[in-house]
Amino acid sequence: EVQLVESGGGLVQPGRSLRLSCAASGFTFNDYGMHWVRQAPGKGLEWVAGLTWNSDKIGYSDSVRGRFTISRDNAKNALYLEMNSLRTEDTALYFCVRDRYASSFYYLDFWGLGTLITVSS
Amino acid sequence: QSALTQPPSASGSPGQTVTISCSGTSSDIGLYNYVSWYQQYPGKAPKVIIYAVNQRPSGVPNHFSGSKSGSTASLTVHGLHEDDEADYFCASYAGNNKFVFGSGTKLTVL
Repeated sequence: EVQLVESGGGLVQPGRSLRLSCAASGFTFNDYGMHWVRQAPGKGLEWVAGLTWNSDKIGYSDSVRGRFTISRDNAKNALYLEMNSLRTEDTALYFCVRDRYASSFYYLDFWGLGTLITVSS
Repeated sequence: QSALTQPPSASGSPGQTVTISCSGTSSDIGLYNYVSWYQQYPGKAPKVIIYAVNQRPSGVPNHFSGSKSGSTASLTVHGLHEDDEADYFCASYAGNNKFVFGSGTKLTVL
């Protein structure tokens, strides 16, 4: 059974940092690209960042570029999101998501349940 | 990098056909056939229902269909069911290792 389990969320003050993790199981992790997608309370989906199976292609939304860093460890079947200089507008449920393709951004075929980040003083 | 534009809401009675539009640009929908659609129920994770403009993943009911004309994609729900009531989001590859979602449409079954 495919599983994506996010962790690392919580309450954090503006300007601070946080690292999200996603543990993948039930599939060959390095056969797939991966993404982070967020959803603010009551709002729509926003793509945050993505990378291919070997991290040779990495992309970020304009809203997080320069503050967030996506990475993966294929040996540990894990995806990460390092978030710095957090802002109140980063408050959202963060989903770890699998891309159907390994080498490009195609479509998102499996989603975790998400981890909630609240940025507030 | 702006969100793709969807109508905030759509509605129809059971059995009717409803179409949701998704307007992009010549840099995303207009350039790539990597349009996908996601269904999301309240409090749940999204689920892909259409990929590559008009392909349905295994297990997705065939009353969902997708199409594209120029920079606008569309999701059509044929023969509305009560359990089609959900939020729907389009998405597209936008080049330069970027992905973009639509603003979302709340579908109500009257």
